[in-house]
Amino acid sequence: NAGVTQTPKFQVLKTGQSMTLQCAQDMNHNSMYWYRQDPGMGLRLIYYSASEGTTDKGEVPNGYNVSRLNKREFSLRLESAAPSQTSVYFCASSDGYSGANVLTFGAGSRLTVL
Amino acid sequence: ILNVEQSPQSLHVQEGDSTNFTCSFPSSNFYALHWYRWETAKSPEALFVMTLNGDEKKKGRISATLNTKEGYSYLYIKGSQPEDSATYLCAFEAGGYQKVTFGTGTKLQVIP
Repeated sequence: NAGVTQTPKFQVLKTGQSMTLQCAQDMNHNSMYWYRQDPGMGLRLIYYSASEGTTDKGEVPNGYNVSRLNKREFSLRLESAAPSQTSVYFCASSDGYSGANVLTFGAGSRLTVL
Repeated sequence: ILNVEQSPQSLHVQEGDSTNFTCSFPSSNFYALHWYRWETAKSPEALFVMTLNGDEKKKGRISATLNTKEGYSYLYIKGSQPEDSATYLCAFEAGGYQKVTFGTGTKLQVIP
């Protein structure tokens, strides 16, 4: 099993460019998440999708949009990248049921905005 | 914004020492408390998920306790080894939403 797969692993953008981070899971999980890692701030939740067809804002949603394309895929889009969005982005998924909502993480996508 | 706080921020211990960290979280709307281990250049990996007040979980030399009424959890490592060096994250899951919010982590370095 591949688990959670994120693409691309690395990306460099110029300010104002757009891009989409892709995430796919093959564990038949219901819930999916996008986090960003910033020094000294741990993982901050950007958006999450509790189930197929739903998405909700996390702590830091400004400047991002998401799409839960189907049960497997959850994409994160930056419409107009800013240097403040330079970060490592992690996608995660979980079963989403009672007492079993353990998150499985992807390998991360390192984004640099110049 | 949910306040999930971890202390200390970082910790250096000698090999063989036992240590513990604290995670504090809102005592209302609690559903579950997660602990993850995060090694440098890797992805976080789950250690425990606890849902009931008074829960205690153990995995080898690592154990965790949960107090939902006062909003805290402790993670204990007995006889620390260099391979325990990592950042330990706790995460609060609010009831009914599958929303999982992380603390800022405790970075542990075990000195041989």
